Amino acid sequence: KQEVTQIPAALSVPEGENLVLNCSFTDSAIYNLQWFRQDPGKGLTSLLLIQSSQREQTSGRLNASLDKSSGRSTLYIAASQPGDSATYLCATYGNNRLAFGKGNQVVVIP
Amino acid sequence: DTEVTQTPKHLVMGMTNKKSLKCEQHMGHRAMYWYKQKAKKPPELMFVYSYEKLSINESVPSRFSPECPNSSLLNLHLHALQPEDSALYLCASSQAPWGSNTGELFFGEGSRLTVL
Repeated sequence: KQEVTQIPAALSVPEGENLVLNCSFTDSAIYNLQWFRQDPGKGLTSLLLIQSSQREQTSGRLNASLDKSSGRSTLYIAASQPGDSATYLCATYGNNRLAFGKGNQVVVIP
Repeated sequence: DTEVTQTPKHLVMGMTNKKSLKCEQHMGHRAMYWYKQKAKKPPELMFVYSYEKLSINESVPSRFSPECPNSSLLNLHLHALQPEDSALYLCASSQAPWGSNTGELFFGEGSRLTVL
C-alpha cells in the first residue's frame, strides 16, 4: 500500500524566501505525481504534474522534481509571497490507487 | 477550459432529507471522481466513474448514491445522512480512464455539507 508523507505538517517563512516542500512515497511503481494547492474551505488547485518518466516540471515560480528511485519529490516556490499561504498536497497515482499526503500548511509572513 | 463546476457550494440538511450534489465538466474527460474531505485531512476517495460506468466504490455507505447520467455530469444523491457525514465533498475529473495513466486530476471547488 502506497504511503505518502509530507513533513513538516506546518511551516512559516518570511516573504521573499524560497519555499522548499518535500514529499516522500514508499512505492516507486507510480504513473505520476501531482502537487496541489488548497486554500481554506476551497477545492484543490493543480499546480504541477510530473510523469514517472520525467525528472522535473516548471511553471512560473514553481519547480517540482521527482526522484522515483529514492521515493521523493520536492516542490520549490521561488521568492515566496503572502498569497502563497495555503496547504500544499502531493499525490501519487499508480496500481489503481491515488494516494495523498497530509499536506504542508504554509504561512508566508509579510 | 479546465473547470470542474460543483453545485451547490453549501448545503445544510436534516438526517431525514434527500438532497443531491452535482458536478459538471466540459473537458471531455473520461473519468470522474467523488472525494470526501474532513477538516485538516487529505481527500478520501469515495467513487470513480470511467466511461460513465462505476469503476470504484470505496465501501461507501449506501446512504450515498452516485449517478453518472452522461460523460459530463456526475451526481451524488444523499439520503438519511448522519452528522458525521458533514464534510467538504469534492468532485474531480481526469482525461484518461481509471486504471490507465489518468494524467492530471482537476478538482472542483467543493460542496460544503452540514448534516444537522
